[in-house]
Amino acid sequence: DTGVSQDPRHKITKRGQNVTFRCDPISEHNRLYWYRQTLGQGPEFLTYFQNEAQLEKSRLLSDRFSAERPKGSFSTLEIQRTEQGDSAMYLCASSATGQANGYTFGSGTRLTVV
Amino acid sequence: GDSVTQMEGPVTLSEEAFLTINCTYTATGYPSLFWYVQYPGEGLQLLLKATKADDKGSNKGFEATYRKETTSFHLEKGSVQVSDSAVYFCALRSGNAGNMLTFGGGTRLMVKP
Repeated sequence: DTGVSQDPRHKITKRGQNVTFRCDPISEHNRLYWYRQTLGQGPEFLTYFQNEAQLEKSRLLSDRFSAERPKGSFSTLEIQRTEQGDSAMYLCASSATGQANGYTFGSGTRLTVV
Repeated sequence: GDSVTQMEGPVTLSEEAFLTINCTYTATGYPSLFWYVQYPGEGLQLLLKATKADDKGSNKGFEATYRKETTSFHLEKGSVQVSDSAVYFCALRSGNAGNMLTFGGGTRLMVKP
Protein backbone atom coordinates (compact mmCIF):
# COMPACT_ATOMS: atom_id res chain seq x y z
CA ASP A 1 0.00 0.00 0.00
CA THR A 2 1.43 3.37 -0.98
CA GLY A 3 -0.54 5.43 1.53
CA VAL A 4 -2.76 8.36 0.63
CA SER A 5 -1.98 9.86 -2.77
CA GLN A 6 -2.91 13.34 -3.93
CA ASP A 7 -2.69 14.79 -7.39
CA PRO A 8 -1.44 17.25 -8.46
CA ARG A 9 1.21 18.26 -5.92
CA HIS A 10 1.13 21.86 -7.10
CA LYS A 11 -1.40 23.88 -9.09
CA ILE A 12 -1.13 27.49 -10.22
CA THR A 13 -4.29 28.96 -11.68
CA LYS A 14 -5.66 32.33 -12.67
CA ARG A 15 -8.40 33.89 -10.62
CA GLY A 16 -11.81 32.84 -11.88
CA GLN A 17 -10.70 29.48 -13.26
CA ASN A 18 -11.98 26.12 -12.00
CA VAL A 19 -9.64 23.55 -10.49
CA THR A 20 -10.06 19.92 -9.47
CA PHE A 21 -7.92 17.88 -7.11
CA ARG A 22 -7.86 14.14 -6.66
CA CYS A 23 -7.25 11.99 -3.59
CA ASP A 24 -6.69 8.23 -3.53
CA PRO A 25 -7.03 6.94 0.05
CA ILE A 26 -5.62 3.76 1.55
CA SER A 27 -7.68 1.04 -0.09
CA GLU A 28 -9.18 -0.49 3.05
CA HIS A 29 -10.11 2.87 4.60
CA ASN A 30 -13.78 3.76 4.24
CA ARG A 31 -13.52 7.28 5.66
CA LEU A 32 -12.03 10.16 3.69
CA TYR A 33 -11.47 13.74 4.82
CA TRP A 34 -10.49 17.00 3.16
CA TYR A 35 -8.68 19.74 5.09
CA ARG A 36 -7.28 23.12 4.09
CA GLN A 37 -4.05 24.54 5.51
CA THR A 38 -2.95 28.11 5.01
CA LEU A 39 0.60 29.25 5.62
CA GLY A 40 1.54 29.21 9.29
CA GLN A 41 -1.78 27.74 10.41
CA GLY A 42 -3.08 24.35 11.39
CA PRO A 43 -5.29 22.37 9.02
CA GLU A 44 -9.00 23.24 8.99
CA PHE A 45 -11.69 20.65 8.34
CA LEU A 46 -13.62 20.98 5.08
CA THR A 47 -15.63 17.81 4.53
CA TYR A 48 -15.87 14.10 5.31
CA PHE A 49 -17.07 10.99 3.52
CA GLN A 50 -17.96 7.59 4.81
CA ASN A 51 -17.85 5.34 1.76
CA GLU A 52 -19.61 7.38 -0.95
CA ALA A 53 -21.77 9.42 1.44
CA GLN A 54 -20.73 12.97 2.29
CA LEU A 55 -21.67 13.11 5.97
CA GLU A 56 -20.38 16.47 7.11
CA LYS A 57 -19.41 19.79 5.57
CA SER A 58 -17.76 22.73 7.27
CA ARG A 59 -19.15 26.24 7.00
CA LEU A 60 -15.75 27.00 5.40
CA LEU A 61 -16.94 25.08 2.35
CA SER A 62 -18.63 27.76 0.29
CA ASP A 63 -20.94 27.03 -2.65
CA ARG A 64 -17.94 27.27 -4.96
CA PHE A 65 -16.51 24.11 -3.42
CA SER A 66 -17.81 20.65 -4.18
CA ALA A 67 -16.47 17.24 -3.26
CA GLU A 68 -17.40 13.81 -4.50
CA ARG A 69 -16.52 10.22 -3.78
CA PRO A 70 -18.61 8.43 -6.38
CA LYS A 71 -17.61 4.82 -5.77
CA GLY A 72 -16.42 5.08 -2.21
CA SER A 73 -12.80 4.94 -3.32
CA PHE A 74 -11.04 8.04 -4.70
CA SER A 75 -12.39 11.53 -4.11
CA THR A 76 -12.29 14.80 -6.00
CA LEU A 77 -12.46 18.34 -4.67
CA GLU A 78 -13.47 21.03 -7.17
CA ILE A 79 -13.22 24.77 -6.66
CA GLN A 80 -15.15 26.91 -9.11
CA ARG A 81 -14.35 30.53 -9.91
CA THR A 82 -11.20 30.49 -7.81
CA GLU A 83 -10.30 33.51 -5.69
CA GLN A 84 -6.93 34.55 -4.29
CA GLY A 85 -8.15 33.62 -0.83
CA ASP A 86 -8.41 30.00 -1.99
CA SER A 87 -4.62 29.78 -2.13
CA ALA A 88 -3.67 27.11 0.40
CA MET A 89 -2.53 23.52 0.83
CA TYR A 90 -5.42 21.08 0.42
CA LEU A 91 -4.88 17.93 2.46
CA CYS A 92 -6.66 14.62 2.13
CA ALA A 93 -6.70 11.98 4.85
CA SER A 94 -8.28 8.57 5.31
CA SER A 95 -9.09 6.26 8.18
CA ALA A 96 -10.99 3.06 8.90
CA THR A 97 -14.23 2.95 10.87
CA GLY A 98 -13.68 2.45 14.55
CA GLN A 99 -9.95 2.95 14.26
CA ALA A 100 -8.62 4.60 17.39
CA ASN A 101 -5.63 6.02 15.59
CA GLY A 102 -5.46 9.36 13.87
CA TYR A 103 -5.78 9.63 10.17
CA THR A 104 -3.23 8.95 7.45
CA PHE A 105 -2.61 12.14 5.52
CA GLY A 106 -1.50 12.62 1.95
CA SER A 107 1.24 15.07 1.01
CA GLY A 108 -1.30 17.64 -0.11
CA THR A 109 -1.99 19.77 -3.18
CA ARG A 110 -0.66 23.31 -3.00
CA LEU A 111 -2.94 25.74 -4.84
CA THR A 112 -1.77 29.20 -5.84
CA VAL A 113 -4.34 31.55 -7.36
CA VAL A 114 -2.78 34.48 -9.22
CA GLY B 1 -16.93 24.50 19.98
CA ASP B 2 -13.75 22.46 20.16
CA SER B 3 -10.43 24.30 20.10
CA VAL B 4 -6.71 23.65 20.57
CA THR B 5 -4.15 26.23 21.67
CA GLN B 6 -0.42 25.71 21.21
CA MET B 7 2.53 27.79 22.23
CA GLU B 8 3.71 30.01 19.43
CA GLY B 9 7.00 29.35 17.75
CA PRO B 10 9.49 29.17 16.48
CA VAL B 11 11.21 27.25 19.23
CA THR B 12 14.95 27.19 18.70
CA LEU B 13 17.06 24.69 20.64
CA SER B 14 20.55 23.30 20.53
CA GLU B 15 21.02 19.61 19.88
CA GLU B 16 20.49 17.44 22.99
CA ALA B 17 18.40 20.11 24.73
CA PHE B 18 15.11 19.31 26.47
CA LEU B 19 11.94 20.12 24.54
CA THR B 20 8.50 21.10 25.78
CA ILE B 21 5.72 22.29 23.49
CA ASN B 22 2.60 23.30 25.39
CA CYS B 23 -0.87 22.33 24.22
CA THR B 24 -4.21 22.99 25.91
CA TYR B 25 -7.67 22.19 24.61
CA THR B 26 -11.37 22.89 24.98
CA ALA B 27 -13.80 20.14 24.03
CA THR B 28 -17.11 18.57 24.90
CA GLY B 29 -17.06 15.03 26.18
CA TYR B 30 -13.87 13.01 26.29
CA PRO B 31 -11.75 13.66 23.21
CA SER B 32 -8.81 11.67 21.93
CA LEU B 33 -5.62 13.73 21.70
CA PHE B 34 -2.88 13.61 19.09
CA TRP B 35 0.43 15.11 18.12
CA TYR B 36 1.26 15.30 14.42
CA VAL B 37 4.56 16.31 12.83
CA GLN B 38 5.03 17.95 9.45
CA TYR B 39 8.43 17.96 7.78
CA PRO B 40 9.10 20.49 5.01
CA GLY B 41 7.19 19.67 1.82
CA GLU B 42 5.43 16.69 3.36
CA GLY B 43 2.02 15.84 4.76
CA LEU B 44 1.23 15.40 8.43
CA GLN B 45 2.44 12.26 10.18
CA LEU B 46 0.96 10.91 13.39
CA LEU B 47 3.60 11.16 16.13
CA LEU B 48 1.68 9.92 19.16
CA LYS B 49 -1.80 9.72 20.66
CA ALA B 50 -3.74 9.26 23.90
CA THR B 51 -7.38 8.27 24.10
CA LYS B 52 -8.26 8.74 27.78
CA ALA B 53 -7.24 10.67 30.86
CA ASP B 54 -3.78 9.88 32.30
CA ASP B 55 -2.78 7.93 29.17
CA LYS B 56 0.78 8.62 28.03
CA GLY B 57 1.50 8.51 24.34
CA SER B 58 5.10 7.95 23.25
CA ASN B 59 7.05 7.50 20.04
CA LYS B 60 10.61 8.18 18.86
CA GLY B 61 11.59 9.60 22.25
CA PHE B 62 8.63 12.01 22.34
CA GLU B 63 6.03 11.76 25.10
CA ALA B 64 2.77 13.46 26.03
CA THR B 65 0.36 12.78 28.90
CA TYR B 66 -3.39 13.39 28.67
CA ARG B 67 -4.19 15.64 31.65
CA LYS B 68 -7.94 16.05 32.00
CA GLU B 69 -7.72 18.24 35.09
CA THR B 70 -5.64 20.86 33.28
CA THR B 71 -7.01 20.05 29.78
CA SER B 72 -3.44 19.76 28.53
CA PHE B 73 -1.36 17.46 26.34
CA HIS B 74 2.16 18.90 26.39
CA LEU B 75 4.78 17.35 24.10
CA GLU B 76 8.20 16.57 25.60
CA LYS B 77 11.48 15.07 24.48
CA GLY B 78 14.53 14.69 26.64
CA SER B 79 17.20 15.23 23.99
CA VAL B 80 16.34 16.73 20.61
CA GLN B 81 18.23 16.09 17.38
CA VAL B 82 18.66 18.23 14.29
CA SER B 83 16.40 15.76 12.47
CA ASP B 84 13.54 16.71 14.82
CA SER B 85 13.31 20.12 13.15
CA ALA B 86 9.73 20.32 11.87
CA VAL B 87 6.32 21.80 12.64
CA TYR B 88 4.38 20.08 15.41
CA PHE B 89 0.58 20.14 15.60
CA CYS B 90 -1.56 19.24 18.58
CA ALA B 91 -5.03 17.97 17.70
CA LEU B 92 -8.14 16.55 19.26
CA ARG B 93 -10.81 14.22 17.96
CA SER B 94 -14.18 14.52 19.64
CA GLY B 95 -16.85 11.95 18.94
CA ASN B 96 -19.48 14.68 19.13
CA ALA B 97 -17.84 16.48 16.24
CA GLY B 98 -18.38 13.86 13.59
CA ASN B 99 -14.90 12.38 13.82
CA MET B 100 -13.10 15.40 12.47
CA LEU B 101 -9.77 16.53 13.92
CA THR B 102 -9.41 20.02 15.35
CA PHE B 103 -5.83 21.29 15.11
CA GLY B 104 -3.82 23.88 16.93
CA GLY B 105 -1.91 26.46 14.94
CA GLY B 106 1.35 24.49 14.96
CA THR B 107 4.74 25.13 16.57
CA ARG B 108 7.87 25.26 14.46
CA LEU B 109 10.89 23.62 16.09
CA MET B 110 14.39 24.41 14.89
CA VAL B 111 17.27 22.40 16.32
CA LYS B 112 20.79 23.69 15.76
CA PRO B 113 23.87 21.46 15.80
